[in-house]
Amino acid sequence: EAGVTQSPTHLIKTRGQQATLRCSPISGHTSVYWYQQALGLGLQFLLWYDEGEERNRGNFPPRFSGRQFPNYSSELNVNALELEDSALYLCASSPLRGAYNQPQHFGDGTRLSIL
Amino acid sequence: SQQGEEDPQALSIQEGENATMNCSYKTSINNLQWYRQNSGRGLVHLILIRSNEREKHSGRLRVTLDTSKKSSSLLITASRAADTASYFCAGTTGANSKLTFGKGITLSVRP
Repeated sequence: EAGVTQSPTHLIKTRGQQATLRCSPISGHTSVYWYQQALGLGLQFLLWYDEGEERNRGNFPPRFSGRQFPNYSSELNVNALELEDSALYLCASSPLRGAYNQPQHFGDGTRLSIL
Repeated sequence: SQQGEEDPQALSIQEGENATMNCSYKTSINNLQWYRQNSGRGLVHLILIRSNEREKHSGRLRVTLDTSKKSSSLLITASRAADTASYFCAGTTGANSKLTFGKGITLSVRP
């Protein structure tokens, strides 16, 4: 069974540009989560999608947005990039809607570097 | 905001020794989960313990949960150099399935 896959592995952008990160969940998983792991700030919850809808959003500005496609894959878009957006962005999936008692399965992340 | 607070922040032990890591949290949880992260990689789920459970085992891992003290511990027995990684506790609350993580513990196992 293929795990959660994320692309690209690395992404280098400059301030003000836009970045798109992609995630494919484990087959059969309907929930996709995005987390940001920035140096010194730990792992912060960004977004949760399930069945194509945004279910919850972390404390991030609106320039962080995303969507979930009918095949349950997901995109995270970050507009007007700032230096502090440099981080490892992790995607996770879980098997059931509202799966608050299920483990989440993580991809290896996209490392976004802002120059 | 951080739900979990791990202790110690860093731990260095010899191969073969046991490693004990602690986690305290602030609000009521549905479950507490432990994850491992090797340098710069994604997180690997280790074990999930539900709020109505007190102890759980998985291979060399033993997790306890004390909801009255809002704390959990992860014990790795007979540690190996390959256990060197960062370990995070995380929980979910209410009907929300997002994970709220602690800052993590860096475990170094010397060969």
